[in-house]
Amino acid sequence: NAGVTQTPKFQVLKTGQSMTLQCAQDMNHEYMSWYRQDPGMGLRLIHYSVGAGITDQGEVPNGYNVSRSTTEDFPLRLLSAAPSQTSVYFCASRPRPRTGGRDEQYFGPGTRLTVT
Amino acid sequence: GEDVEQSLFLSVREGDSSVINCTYTDSSSTYLYWYKQEPGAGLQLLTYIFSNMDMKQDQRLTVLLNKKDKHLSLRIADTQTGDSAIYFCAESLSGTYKYIFGTGTRLKVLA
Repeated sequence: NAGVTQTPKFQVLKTGQSMTLQCAQDMNHEYMSWYRQDPGMGLRLIHYSVGAGITDQGEVPNGYNVSRSTTEDFPLRLLSAAPSQTSVYFCASRPRPRTGGRDEQYFGPGTRLTVT
Repeated sequence: GEDVEQSLFLSVREGDSSVINCTYTDSSSTYLYWYKQEPGAGLQLLTYIFSNMDMKQDQRLTVLLNKKDKHLSLRIADTQTGDSAIYFCAESLSGTYKYIFGTGTRLKVLA
């Protein structure tokens, strides 16, 4: 059971390039999300998905696209990279929320992206 | 709106107690959590407390919840250098997808 995996671990892009950050989970979790982490700003939600075929925008969606064709995978696409997208990106997953139950999120190890 | 706030930095000496504080705004939250992020890694759940509890103790960790003031704290007894990390508080509403993280507190333990 690998949990949540992310690739690549590090990436350097030039302004205007596009790329896809990969995320996969093997826990059969319904909910998956992407966060970016910037100094002093905590975690900000980019996009999330409550199941295969269903995605929605979070707090900072501009410049990013997502899709969820399977339960396991939730890739994040940067359409045209900008220096403001330099950040650490985390993918997270969790099971369907249960009334009265606690709700742990499971995080991947992160992708450190630099846009020059 | 919903907001979870923490101070950004805390520095303590090895062997002392650390207290990390968090304030939240949504009184409907059901669970409150503390996550730990070690350098170069993702977040991992450290402990949590149900909103109808005032205190929870787990070995060196003590979580205190003051619902009236919407204040959550994490006390680490006998702080060790391995406790150096960023600590995030978070709140969720049971049965929903609502989940909000604080800004994180970077704890530095001095030898």
